[in-house]
Amino acid sequence: NAGVMQNPRHLVRRRGQEARLRCSPMKGHSHVYWYRQLPEEGLKFMVYLQKENIIDESGMPKERFSAEFPKEGPSILRIQQVVRGDSAAYFCASSEGVSTNEKLFFGSGTQLSVL
Amino acid sequence: AQSVSQHNHHVILSEAASLELGCNYSYGGTVNLFWYVQYPGQHLQLLLKYFSGDPLVKGIKGFEAEFIKSKFSFNLRKPSVQWSDTAEYFCAVNDPGFQKLVFGTGTRLLVSP
Repeated sequence: NAGVMQNPRHLVRRRGQEARLRCSPMKGHSHVYWYRQLPEEGLKFMVYLQKENIIDESGMPKERFSAEFPKEGPSILRIQQVVRGDSAAYFCASSEGVSTNEKLFFGSGTQLSVL
Repeated sequence: AQSVSQHNHHVILSEAASLELGCNYSYGGTVNLFWYVQYPGQHLQLLLKYFSGDPLVKGIKGFEAEFIKSKFSFNLRKPSVQWSDTAEYFCAVNDPGFQKLVFGTGTRLLVSP
């Protein structure tokens, strides 16, 4: 079991470009969570998805950010027209079920740098 | 809204020293509490968790944490640290029934050999 795989590990974008971050959950996991860690801050919840459904997006910025978890393929976090303030580490986590967070497995994160 | 405070942002210890990292949360209801560790270049890993029962929780690698409800605290301890404990430690909490975790800002621990 390869664990939660995120790619790329590092992503550099210029202001105004689009960033696409990918997350492949652990095998058998159908619940995906995205967290963001800004410099000198803790991880902040962004969005929780199940296959083809967004369950809770209360932590997502209202504009430019979107997430999907299609029936086939990885979950994608998409940031349009990136700005310097989007520079952060983005972590994905997955779980098999929804009842407890003890079975939450994290990926190694994608470090986004916006020039 | 729930919030989590970790008092120390950076801690430097010598090997064999004792460790205690503070964690306080804001909401006074029933909560689930966690400590995660992130070793350099690696993903977050669960150290230990508290859901209910014995407030003294033992985790992996000799770590333990004590839940003190009256103080809204869940401090992490280890009697004797090793160089390999150098990492960043995150306290987290969630309200039962809610999937999202609220994390503290993390504590970077450096253990010198």
